[in-house]
Amino acid sequence: AQKITQTQPGMFVQEKEAVTLDCTYDTSDQSYGLFWYKQPSSGEMIFLIYQGSYDEQNATEGRYSLNFQKARKSANLVISASQLGDSAMYFCASKGGRRALTFGSGTRLQVQP
Amino acid sequence: DSGVTQTPKHLITATGQRVTLRCSPRSGDLSVYWYQQSLDQGLQFLIQYYNGEERAKGNILERFSAQQFPDLHSELNLSSLELGDSALYFCASSPLAGGYNEQFFGPGTRLTVL
Repeated sequence: AQKITQTQPGMFVQEKEAVTLDCTYDTSDQSYGLFWYKQPSSGEMIFLIYQGSYDEQNATEGRYSLNFQKARKSANLVISASQLGDSAMYFCASKGGRRALTFGSGTRLQVQP
Repeated sequence: DSGVTQTPKHLITATGQRVTLRCSPRSGDLSVYWYQQSLDQGLQFLIQYYNGEERAKGNILERFSAQQFPDLHSELNLSSLELGDSALYFCASSPLAGGYNEQFFGPGTRLTVL
């Protein structure tokens, strides 16, 4: 079974600053994937970034990077140079083998001007 | 735009009724997943189909059923609806059945049961 924990229900960040959203995971799988999705107020789920458990380098996609620390079972999302449009719910998720995504409870990020 | 389409966008119905939600995956994707997002349960996996066959089951109630058709679109049927079934229902697609491909989500169907 897989479990995702996001301990920050809400976060505030000033525009143009960087912010880290925390995610820890628990899995018995040897091989797994970690994902971050963004859900704006409009409701859609937008894929942001993926990290494989055997990837040695941290994943990056534009302003998003995933700080993967396997020994600590953490997969934190770092957003650099925050923009007002980054205000949304952010979900961390994991996937092991044939299973579907297991999501955390999410973090609501508010970017302040 | 993820390329995954879902209809209808909104659905309002009464308790005891039956509804059908429809999903068309991205072109070329063979796998379809259904998820339910509710305030109390969060985002939960319901069921997965791959190339027409049921692949995995999550927390899907017996009152719910799904299928994937030869053209790869999928339908989620919800029957004997209860107030607690009110939620946002997402469909997601990916190319393969397993592996770690990202899943691309549709815009969701918001179901309100009165």
